Amino acid sequence: NAGVTQTPKFRVLKTGQSMTLLCAQDMNHEYMYWYRQDPGMGLRLIHYSVGEGTTAKGEVPDGYNVSRLKKQNFLLGLESAAPSQTSVYFCASRARQVLTDTQYFGPGTRLTVL
Amino acid sequence: ILNVEQSPQSLHVQEGDSTNFTCSFPSSNFYALHWYRWETAKSPEALFVMTLNGDEKKKGRISATLNTKEGYSYLYIKGSQPEDSATYLCAFYNTNAGKSTFGDGTTLTVKP
Repeated sequence: NAGVTQTPKFRVLKTGQSMTLLCAQDMNHEYMYWYRQDPGMGLRLIHYSVGEGTTAKGEVPDGYNVSRLKKQNFLLGLESAAPSQTSVYFCASRARQVLTDTQYFGPGTRLTVL
Repeated sequence: ILNVEQSPQSLHVQEGDSTNFTCSFPSSNFYALHWYRWETAKSPEALFVMTLNGDEKKKGRISATLNTKEGYSYLYIKGSQPEDSATYLCAFYNTNAGKSTFGDGTTLTVKP
């Protein structure tokens, strides 16, 4: 079991470039989440999905899009990267029946936008 | 946006010291409170989940308590060791929002 994996681990972009971050989980979890983590701050929810084909906005969705075409994958897209999107991005997942919302996290993607 | 506050923001202690930190959260629509342990260069891992007022959980030297009526949880570490150095995040799950809100974390550094 690999758990939750994220690709890539690191990336440097120039302002205006686009990219997609991939999150994959092999635990058959229905719920998946994308967070960003900035210095001195906790995890802020960008978007989440409660099942294949569904997505919803979190706390800080602007500038990001997501897709959940397959149950095991959750993609986070930046269409036109801005320096304010420099951050560490974490993906997480959990099973629907875990009503307490205990989440399993990926290793993170460190993104720098110049 | 729900407010989850953790204090202190950071803490430096000597090996062997006992320490504690606080998570405050809204007391309405409470469902669950998590403590996650987040070591540098790793991902957060669930340490405790508590759901009932008065819950106490323990894992080795680390324990946590929960007061849902007044909206706070304490995490205690007895006899801190360097390997306890990490950021401790709390996350409040409420039934209205349907998702967790994380605090900013308390970063603990234990000096040998």
